[in-house]
Amino acid sequence: KQEVTQIPAALSVPEGENLVLNCSFTDSAIYNLQWFRQDPGKGLTSLLLIQSSQREQTSGRLNASLDKSSGRSTLYIAASQPGDSATYLCAVPGGATNKLIFGTGTLLAVQP
Amino acid sequence: DGGITQSPKYLFRKEGQNVTLSCEQNLNHDAMYWYRQDPGQGLRLIYYSQIVNDFQKGDIAEGYSVSREKKESFPLTVTSAQKNPTAFYLCASSPITGRGVDTEAFFGQGTRLTVV
Repeated sequence: KQEVTQIPAALSVPEGENLVLNCSFTDSAIYNLQWFRQDPGKGLTSLLLIQSSQREQTSGRLNASLDKSSGRSTLYIAASQPGDSATYLCAVPGGATNKLIFGTGTLLAVQP
Repeated sequence: DGGITQSPKYLFRKEGQNVTLSCEQNLNHDAMYWYRQDPGQGLRLIYYSQIVNDFQKGDIAEGYSVSREKKESFPLTVTSAQKNPTAFYLCASSPITGRGVDTEAFFGQGTRLTVV
């Protein structure tokens, strides 16, 4: 059964720092991996989708990498800003549908 | 604007009462999903549907029911059989391509349900 883990559970950094969020999964036979952002009391906003054939995907200051063989993905945020403060979730499809299996998230606080 | 609309944003349920959460999408997506989010836990799948008039149970379907009469609509009913319904409920949709599941999922803004 696929399990997704995110470490750390919480992270606090000063503004301007580069940071890395980690996501690991137990079954490497995934179709893709998606990173989301969730603000308090809000829904999920899709940040990046990495296909299983890709190793990296970039959007602005965000860069996500995928290493299927080791069951890991990282989300790199460059030059962090207070507006980046949110919970970041990663998810993978559970089998041959897009039913997503989520990690419990990393709560990021960027201090001004 | 294209997107997923959930309503209401806040919902209060009395003991023994059924309540229905609305989810509408105008993205022309075939697949729709309902997730439940509790503090300290990841999102868990309640029900999903890949085509009109068909839906499948997820991991925590007990006490919930759904319908999919139209492609754009996937309402969720929380029945009195659900003993601990207080949670944040999220609806999502995604396209289904010929290649399978290499598609992006999009989420609504959620409904917070509280038992009073």
